[in-house]
Amino acid sequence: DGGITQSPKYLFRKEGQNVTLSCEQNLNHDAMYWYRQDPGQGLRLIYYSQIVNDFQKGDIAEGYSVSREKKESFPLTVTSAQKNPTAFYLCASSQNRQGTDEQYFGPGTRLTVT
Amino acid sequence: ELKVEQNPLFLSMQEGKNYTIYCNYSTTSDRLYWYRQDPGKSLESLFVLLSNGAVKQEGRLMASLDTKARLSTLHITAAVHDLSATYFCAVSRKFWGSNYKLTFGKGTLLTVNP
Repeated sequence: DGGITQSPKYLFRKEGQNVTLSCEQNLNHDAMYWYRQDPGQGLRLIYYSQIVNDFQKGDIAEGYSVSREKKESFPLTVTSAQKNPTAFYLCASSQNRQGTDEQYFGPGTRLTVT
Repeated sequence: ELKVEQNPLFLSMQEGKNYTIYCNYSTTSDRLYWYRQDPGKSLESLFVLLSNGAVKQEGRLMASLDTKARLSTLHITAAVHDLSATYFCAVSRKFWGSNYKLTFGKGTLLTVNP
């Protein structure tokens, strides 16, 4: 089955610790994205990557870092510099060729930092 | 900066009734997406609207796009309880080459009561 997987589903961390969220896709999509969702809010873009070894900051990149060493993988690290890390994190991917920019979403990781 | 506004943000309706959710956006775009999200779950793609005047229907939901008015609507016909969810619209921006970013509205929480 083709799709996007995120792990873990739930993650608990203490303040001051960095944590890495996994995102893998086997759709052969070029582009991958990380979004953050807070209660009652829409999705806000953290980072995106159009191709391997390249990524750009989204609207709320401060306190986060990413890497794109493989086409299939786009891990997100939430650093201790992120002031309010508790949120629902969604990874997405898209083919991003002319006329095919629809994004497909993973199941999400709910991060709680205390 | 592209802004996407949905209204209403909360909608409580009775089974069997009709209603419309509105999505306004601030700058030119030719692509608009509607997603559904169940509590604690990821986003499920409902409709992709690619051109002015596009209308798509699936079951009791119908979406339309007016790019001149920068408005999309999601019409619910004869609502049933299973439609209870949060509905998001998202507007696509092409920023270079064949690369796109989505900007999401805050979502409409729909509750259908018996």
